[in-house]
Amino acid sequence: SAVISQKPSRDICQRGTSLTIQCQVDSQVTMMFWYRQQPGQSLTLIATANQGSEATYESGFVIDKFPISRPNLTFSTLTVSNMSPEDSSIYLCSVIAGSYEQYFGPGTRLTVT
Amino acid sequence: KQEVTQIPAALSVPEGENLVLNCSFTDSAIYNLQWFRQDPGKGLTSLLLIQSSQREQTSGRLNASLDKSSGRSTLYIAASQPGDSATYLCAVRYGGSQGNLIFGKGTKLSVKP
Repeated sequence: SAVISQKPSRDICQRGTSLTIQCQVDSQVTMMFWYRQQPGQSLTLIATANQGSEATYESGFVIDKFPISRPNLTFSTLTVSNMSPEDSSIYLCSVIAGSYEQYFGPGTRLTVT
Repeated sequence: KQEVTQIPAALSVPEGENLVLNCSFTDSAIYNLQWFRQDPGKGLTSLLLIQSSQREQTSGRLNASLDKSSGRSTLYIAASQPGDSATYLCAVRYGGSQGNLIFGKGTKLSVKP
């Protein structure tokens, strides 16, 4: 299994600012995933981050808006840039471990005013 | 297009009832399927993982089945309790062990005391 922590757990930010979310895993993993869950919706994959290479973004998500860092095998950050109210969501970090089971962090609840 | 559908969207039952949540997927070439639980405003907790070669998995009062040929999975909860109240998400992995998870929109379960 994998235990994932995220910081911050929640934040309220003003339009036009940026927020960086941190994700820490208790074991080394090859791939880390960032998801977004908008209010009342299911999860949507933003990007996949491999250590030592550029993140791979899903359709509809771009690096300028959601830059990702992956400096080592247990840590990643996601930045939500130039925020607007439409960015208000829960952002979740995730990894695959064990028998290819996916684990999720507790999420970061972002509100943009 | 690979899609995952969950029915019903919401379910309310009295405590003690046995219940079934349904998940269907359009592409039967899955790698594995996971059921998650999500409490309001929180991250996801993995409940059960079924590999494509398996028919069912059990954990305590939970039993998940998989029928690839018909593109269906069910999550059976025995003797439901108020603490089971949450949203239950079905997610299907395609494209191998590191492939993307496709999520359903979830079933919101309420168990009344």
